[in-house]
Amino acid sequence: KAGVTQTPRYLIKTRGQQVTLSCSPISGHRSVSWYQQTPGQGLQFLFEYFSETQRNKGNFPGRFSGRQFSNSRSEMNVSTLELGDSALYLCASSLVAQHNEQFFGPGTRLTVL
Amino acid sequence: GQQVMQIPQYQHVQEGEDFTTYCNSSTTLSNIQWYKQRPGGHPVFLIQLVKSGEVKKQKRLTFQFGEAKKNSSLHITATQTTDVGTYFCAGPRAAGNKLTFGGGTRVLVKP
Repeated sequence: KAGVTQTPRYLIKTRGQQVTLSCSPISGHRSVSWYQQTPGQGLQFLFEYFSETQRNKGNFPGRFSGRQFSNSRSEMNVSTLELGDSALYLCASSLVAQHNEQFFGPGTRLTVL
Repeated sequence: GQQVMQIPQYQHVQEGEDFTTYCNSSTTLSNIQWYKQRPGGHPVFLIQLVKSGEVKKQKRLTFQFGEAKKNSSLHITATQTTDVGTYFCAGPRAAGNKLTFGGGTRVLVKP
């Protein structure tokens, strides 16, 4: 069974640009969650999607958005990038809900210059 | 909002020794999950505890969920170099609520 895949793995952008990250969950998993990981703030929850609906949301500004498609694949978008958005963005999938066992992808390393 | 704290933040352990890392939540949790992230890797699920006072073992790792379901601990016996990494606890306030992660305990093993 293939694991969670994330594309791209690395990304370099400049301030003010926008970026779209992609996540393909494990086949059969319907819940996809996104996290931001930085050395100083640890793992911060961004949002969770289930059946194309956002089910939970963390405390991030509106520049961070996401969506989920009918095949459970998910994308997150960050607009008007800031230097502080540099981080590892992790996607995790679970069978039904975020409060169950989560399987993390390798992450996308975003650097904002 | 809900906060999950882990102590210590860093743990230097001599190979072969035991150590314990603690996780404390500001609110009651419906369950607690533990993850391990190796350097350069991504978090990998270790275990989930659901019941008050529950204890589970995985080889040299012992996980415990507090009676009040607000704290948890991970005890590792006879530490090995393969135990190097950051251990995170995470829990939702209630089933269906968002998962809040602790800041992690970074474990370094001295051979």
